Amino acid sequence: GAGVSQSPSNKVTEKGKDVELRCDPISGHTALYWYRQRLGQGLEFLIYFQGNSAPDKSGLPSDRFSAERTGESVSTLTIQRTQQEDSAVYLCASSSFTYYEQYFGPGTRLTVT
Amino acid sequence: GEDVEQSLFLSVREGDSSVINCTYTDSSSTYLYWYKQEPGAGLQLLTYIFSNMDMKQDQRLTVLLNKKDKHLSLRIADTQTGDSAIYFCASGAAGNKLTFGGGTRVLVKP
Repeated sequence: GAGVSQSPSNKVTEKGKDVELRCDPISGHTALYWYRQRLGQGLEFLIYFQGNSAPDKSGLPSDRFSAERTGESVSTLTIQRTQQEDSAVYLCASSSFTYYEQYFGPGTRLTVT
Repeated sequence: GEDVEQSLFLSVREGDSSVINCTYTDSSSTYLYWYKQEPGAGLQLLTYIFSNMDMKQDQRLTVLLNKKDKHLSLRIADTQTGDSAIYFCASGAAGNKLTFGGGTRVLVKP
């Protein structure tokens, strides 16, 4: 497929557990973004990868959140010791460096019980 | 930091025009976007406008930008029931992170 894919689509976890969310960007897109959307709210920027540059981590809410990206391919967002306030839809997007449009994946709905 | 504000809710009758408003604070934004989110679906880019433009029309959609007041609007002509969704305004630059508003829920009544 040509679009951004994310897995899993839904994740239910117990408070205190670690979770890993995966994003497969569109092939050839150098930029990859993670956003979080809490229920009934807009998207909050989390982290941004651009090629081989150091990622922009300015949106990560705490040190429990981290993300990695291998080259210009897959990215994983890890949340350690999950809390109930981490419950949200986590959206990934990718774009080429000069292109104006960010293409969004379908998201991973995370529920922390 | 950057901020984008939108009204929360808009109700409109089918066939009428809808106008959704947005204000933003980041004067360095080079692009302003309108995204649509339908229930259970991902974000779909509807349209965008470059910051040196003041208007863009795309079929039923008209975007107006007042850069001086940092005000953006989206007009949907002949609103249909399929236009019921949440509309997000966002500001940013090509290849950079976007700052989103909280979304405007549009309800189209038959």
